[in-house]
Amino acid sequence: AIQMTQSPSSLSASVGDRVTMTCRASQGISTDLGWYQQKPGKAPKLLIFAASSLRSGVPLRFSGSGSGTDFTLTISSLQPEDLATYYCLQDNDYPWTFGQGTKVDI
Amino acid sequence: EMQLVESGGGLVQPGGSLRLSCVDSGFLLSRYWMGWVRQAPGKGLEWVAHMNQDGSYYFYLDSVKGRFTISRDNAKNSLYLQMNSLRDEDTAVYYCARLGMAGSADWFDPWGHGTLVTVS
Repeated sequence: AIQMTQSPSSLSASVGDRVTMTCRASQGISTDLGWYQQKPGKAPKLLIFAASSLRSGVPLRFSGSGSGTDFTLTISSLQPEDLATYYCLQDNDYPWTFGQGTKVDI
Repeated sequence: EMQLVESGGGLVQPGGSLRLSCVDSGFLLSRYWMGWVRQAPGKGLEWVAHMNQDGSYYFYLDSVKGRFTISRDNAKNSLYLQMNSLRDEDTAVYYCARLGMAGSADWFDPWGHGTLVTVS
């Protein structure tokens, strides 16, 4: 199975900060990667698909990049409502696998 | 608009069975691949299974193969997960979600609110 490793596992930042988190695949997955946001006690929500495509309705401060094995999710200006855990998911090969998550505290 | 609502979770003894249901109140479920993702208490997300519109293609996590069966009834706008021979490690919130597809990319969107399965 493809292993997805997210880093850092948690981070603390201030409102307005630029925040970057990464997801590394154990083998190349092209751009078959999505990013999901899960707020405490809620279901996950899609932010980014195909590594860099922003889901309609998601604020423009979120962006994704990368291909192959290394991927990045960036929040350009952190907002209070961005407090959440962020997960990457590879859909390149079965079993589909999630990273372990990056928890963002504000 | 697709709105997914899961039900059927609860407390079950090891070795027991449960059937989860997911209903789409937007009556769009028949058009899409659909899947299940779970989350153990305090843990991360884990893909479980998904299937295509007519049930001719389906994929499972290895640890649930032979124990879980994903199915659907498009006339009832419903997706199901039959879970047999349940183990302690199956304890989780189970989410149903629609698969979006474009080219080789796939993604889960939207998600239901989840239903809790406790095996104990």
